[in-house]
Amino acid sequence: ESVLTQSPGTLSLSPGERATLSCRASQSVSSSLAWYQQKPGQAPRLLIYGASSRAAGIPDRFSGSGSGTDFTLTISRLEPEDFAVFYCQQYGTLPYTFGQGTKLEIK
Amino acid sequence: QLQLQESGPGLVRPSETLSLTCSVSGGSVSTSLYWSWIRQPPGKELEWIGYVYKSGSTNYNPSLKSRVTISLDTSRNQSSLKLISVTAADTAVYYCAGDSTPSRWYFWGQGTLLIVSS
Repeated sequence: ESVLTQSPGTLSLSPGERATLSCRASQSVSSSLAWYQQKPGQAPRLLIYGASSRAAGIPDRFSGSGSGTDFTLTISRLEPEDFAVFYCQQYGTLPYTFGQGTKLEIK
Repeated sequence: QLQLQESGPGLVRPSETLSLTCSVSGGSVSTSLYWSWIRQPPGKELEWIGYVYKSGSTNYNPSLKSRVTISLDTSRNQSSLKLISVTAADTAVYYCAGDSTPSRWYFWGQGTLLIVSS
């Protein structure tokens, strides 16, 4: 099973700033990595798949990069609605697994 | 636009069987989409449970494989999840999800909370 470790656990930033979230896999997953955003009481929302492809309807301030074991989600300029918990998920090996999440909070 | 809605009992006793359904609107479960179940224990990360395809083929998380069954009911346009011999560790919000691939999920239900308690 591929274990995903996200960092930092909590990120405190202000609107307008740039956010950089990391996800590291215990074994290579190639580019088979997705990112989700989850707000309290809501289902996760798919942001990025294939490590760098934006899902339908996702603003271009969200971007993903990386391959193998190290991945990054970048939000170029934070909007008030961006603050939430973000999860990475790998689908390079079964079973599909998620990271423990990074909470992005308003500073 | 595809919409998914989970439903279930809310509370199940330990050792009993959990049954959840996912009603699909705006599309058919018989289309070329994979129908998945994912759960999230309170305050914890997400866990993939498994998926079913229109052909009836399934794939499950090995940690749950001995206890779980996911199926489709085309007459009701629903996906269903059955989990036997539940324990407190199965307490979670259960989500159904759908996508054209089995491994990532664009369409989600709002989730249903299941508590296992006597």
